[in-house]
Amino acid sequence: GENVEQHPSTLSVQEGDSAVIKCTYSDSASNYFPWYKQELGKRPQLIIDIRSNVGEKKDQRIAVTLNKTAKHFSLHITETQPEDSAVYFCAASSSGGSYIPTFGRGTSLIVHP
Amino acid sequence: DAGVTQSPTHLIKTRGQQVTLRCSPKSGHDTVSWYQQALGQGPQFIFQYYEEEERQRGNFPDRFSGHQFPNYSSELNVNALLLGDSALYLCASSRGQGISGQPQHFGDGTRLSIL
Repeated sequence: GENVEQHPSTLSVQEGDSAVIKCTYSDSASNYFPWYKQELGKRPQLIIDIRSNVGEKKDQRIAVTLNKTAKHFSLHITETQPEDSAVYFCAASSSGGSYIPTFGRGTSLIVHP
Repeated sequence: DAGVTQSPTHLIKTRGQQVTLRCSPKSGHDTVSWYQQALGQGPQFIFQYYEEEERQRGNFPDRFSGHQFPNYSSELNVNALLLGDSALYLCASSRGQGISGQPQHFGDGTRLSIL
């Protein structure tokens, strides 16, 4: 089955800095990669996703890049703000698995004012 | 437009008991998936229901069972509770089972504590 590794487990940045979270996946058939943000005690919320026919996708301060050859994808947050503090999860899924996402273990992002 | 709703929000049980958790999907969604999220971990897939049938199952014992009703709502049942079953149980809904790139929308979860 799919295996998703996520790094780092904790990331501490100053407000205004950029943050990068990296994930690797094992199943070359994976073709849909969502990212979720989970604030303490709240539900995971989809913040951005990317499909395998696209190398990069951007939405305001958030961008995701995908390297299919290397089987890794990354989340980039620019101009971080304290409200970006949360746990971020990457996930990978494929049609063979009915698009059931396999999640990484999460990255706790702390943005210091 | 109501999102995914789950009940109850918190539950305390003792070992050996049985529990039922409930989920109503987001309006327009017909597929419900259940996840277990242990503290400090990512959500782990339990199973998915579509058209009232279990379609996919993760690596969970058959103590974990479920049901989907004609209105697309779903229940998760766990029998013979173990201490290790303590976790946040998340329900996620989506539109169409196995459709390319349909994102899952999560509920707030049920925090289950086993004493």
